[in-house]
Amino acid sequence: GQQVMQIPQYQHVQEGEDFTTYCNSSTTLSNIQWYKQRPGGHPVFLIQLVKSGEVKKQKRLTFQFGEAKKNSSLHITATQTTDVGTYFCATRTGTASKLTFGTGTRLQVTL
Amino acid sequence: DGGITQSPKYLFRKEGQNVTLSCEQNLNHDAMYWYRQDPGQGLRLIYYSQIVNDFQKGDIAEGYSVSREKKESFPLTVTSAQKNPTAFYLCASSIQGSTDTQYFGPGTRLTVL
Repeated sequence: GQQVMQIPQYQHVQEGEDFTTYCNSSTTLSNIQWYKQRPGGHPVFLIQLVKSGEVKKQKRLTFQFGEAKKNSSLHITATQTTDVGTYFCATRTGTASKLTFGTGTRLQVTL
Repeated sequence: DGGITQSPKYLFRKEGQNVTLSCEQNLNHDAMYWYRQDPGQGLRLIYYSQIVNDFQKGDIAEGYSVSREKKESFPLTVTSAQKNPTAFYLCASSIQGSTDTQYFGPGTRLTVL
């Protein structure tokens, strides 16, 4: 089945530093969704990207979909402790409405 | 209050016992899903259902069973055949469609002793 790899697995930053997680696939993706899971919580939808080269922003978060639709990134500017959690990318698999999730990037932010 | 509920939050069972995890949604969503998450891992799809009375195996269906008799409910049974059942189980739902957002329940943490 389709696989999406995420890097890094874990990143520890100081508050105020930037953070980026990358999602890569060997095949062309029809779309990318990003989710955030706080420690002990459940994944919460952040955004969906569909078009080649698409860039979307949500306050300090910037999401990009690659021109070839094989990779995506999530960039957080000036991290805050509220950004702590694991960020997952996910992509639709086949014709059914099911998602394949990436392995996730765990972000730790300290003061 | 709309959403997805899972109960209980924590569940303990003895090895060899079947256990059923509850998932209910009042979002009027057609599709429902069960995922398993192990510590430090991503989400792996166990079963999914796109419509009432129909469901398909996901990537790790062995040792699990489901039913979808009502649109609102998608219970998951962890059978004694599942070799490593201790995990965090997440239920999700979405409007039927190819690119729809999935809404997750709070999860059930199952520990088999």
